[in-house]
Amino acid sequence: SAVISQKPSRDICQRGTSLTIQCQVDSQVTMMFWYRQQPGQSLTLIATANQGSEATYESGFVIDKFPISRPNLTFSTLTVSNMSPEDSSIYLCSVAGALGGAFFGQGTRLTVV
Amino acid sequence: AQSVTQPDIHITVSEGASLELRCNYSYGATPYLFWYVQSPGQGLQLLLKYFSGDTLVQGIKGFEAEFKRSQSSFNLRKPSVHWSDAAEYFCAVSGGSQGNLIFGKGTKLSVKP
Repeated sequence: SAVISQKPSRDICQRGTSLTIQCQVDSQVTMMFWYRQQPGQSLTLIATANQGSEATYESGFVIDKFPISRPNLTFSTLTVSNMSPEDSSIYLCSVAGALGGAFFGQGTRLTVV
Repeated sequence: AQSVTQPDIHITVSEGASLELRCNYSYGATPYLFWYVQSPGQGLQLLLKYFSGDTLVQGIKGFEAEFKRSQSSFNLRKPSVHWSDAAEYFCAVSGGSQGNLIFGKGTKLSVKP
């Protein structure tokens, strides 16, 4: 299984600002995924990040709001831009397991005030 | 449309009692099915997965799940619940090994002493 480290683990941010979340994996992976878990809700896929290409966003998510970088095979960042209280969520990074499924980081708990 | 339904939002069982968490899915092709557990303030941990073959799969922590194609179900079971099993449980589906999953809304499990 992959070991995934996310930073920061939590943050409280002012509305209108941006936060960049980092995800580091202990092995090289082709695809990385970013999910959002709103309070009391399930996980929703934001985008898939492939190294060397633009991220692919799911319906309802746009690059201007959630820009993603994938500079190499072990690292990715997700930025939450121009934040509002509705962006308060847990953001999770994940990678595909070698035998299917996904492994998740511990998540970043974001509160926007 | 692809979807996962977990009909029970919250379940309370007594310690030592048996447990069954329900999961129904809607997926056009042969699904890959997963159960994850999320403890408070933690990330997601993979309990078990089903791709093909034996429809009864064993996972970690004494959990098992049975895939029933005719009922589009993948229910999670445990014969004797421990207090440490109190957590939120998510059922998920994907179309392959890529790692992008569709999650159910989750079932919160409480354990009475």
